[in-house]
Amino acid sequence: EAQVTQNPRYLITVTGKKLTVTCSQNMNHEYMSWYRQDPGLGLRQIYYSMNVEVTDKGDVPEGYKVSRKEKRNFPLILESPSPNQTSLYFCASSTTGGPYEQYFGPGTRLTVT
Amino acid sequence: TQLLEQSPQFLSIQEGENLTVYCNSSSVFSSLQWYRQEPGEGPVLLVTVVTGGEVKKLKRLTFQFGDARKDSSLHITAAQPGDTGLYLCAGAMASGGSNYKLTFGKGTLLTVNP
Repeated sequence: EAQVTQNPRYLITVTGKKLTVTCSQNMNHEYMSWYRQDPGLGLRQIYYSMNVEVTDKGDVPEGYKVSRKEKRNFPLILESPSPNQTSLYFCASSTTGGPYEQYFGPGTRLTVT
Repeated sequence: TQLLEQSPQFLSIQEGENLTVYCNSSSVFSSLQWYRQEPGEGPVLLVTVVTGGEVKKLKRLTFQFGDARKDSSLHITAAQPGDTGLYLCAGAMASGGSNYKLTFGKGTLLTVNP
């Protein structure tokens, strides 16, 4: 089954404690991205990757890091989480070259206290 | 700056009513997508429109892309409680090579009451 998986689905942590949210896709997609979704603000892109070893900032990259060492995996790293990073996070993947249809993971609800 | 204005933001209707959701922009898009998101889940693609003036139907849902590829609408006929969810539009702009920029509207939260 074609899918995007994320782990963990739920995470409660404390300020400053480094964490990683994993994302994996089995569709051989070149393009992967991370979004955060907040009430009233909608979906905002954090980082994206066009292919292995190629990453770039989205609209809200501050406080986040990513890496793309393998085509299927695109982890999101919060090295020093803060309460304003409490949010619902989605990983997505797509082919490149259009029409850019996104396949989303199930989401990770992160709470930073 | 919000590139994609989606309206209405909230919509609560009775089963059997018709409704239309709008997605407007001053930018031209290579393609425009509509997603539906249910609580606790990721958005799921409903349809993609690519050609100006294009109309696509998905059962009771009709999607239209504006002639200038700057706006789109989603019309639901005889809404059912199962249509309840957050509807998102997203516009894609090619930005050189295989790169692109996807911008989401803030969504329309639809509630269909039995």
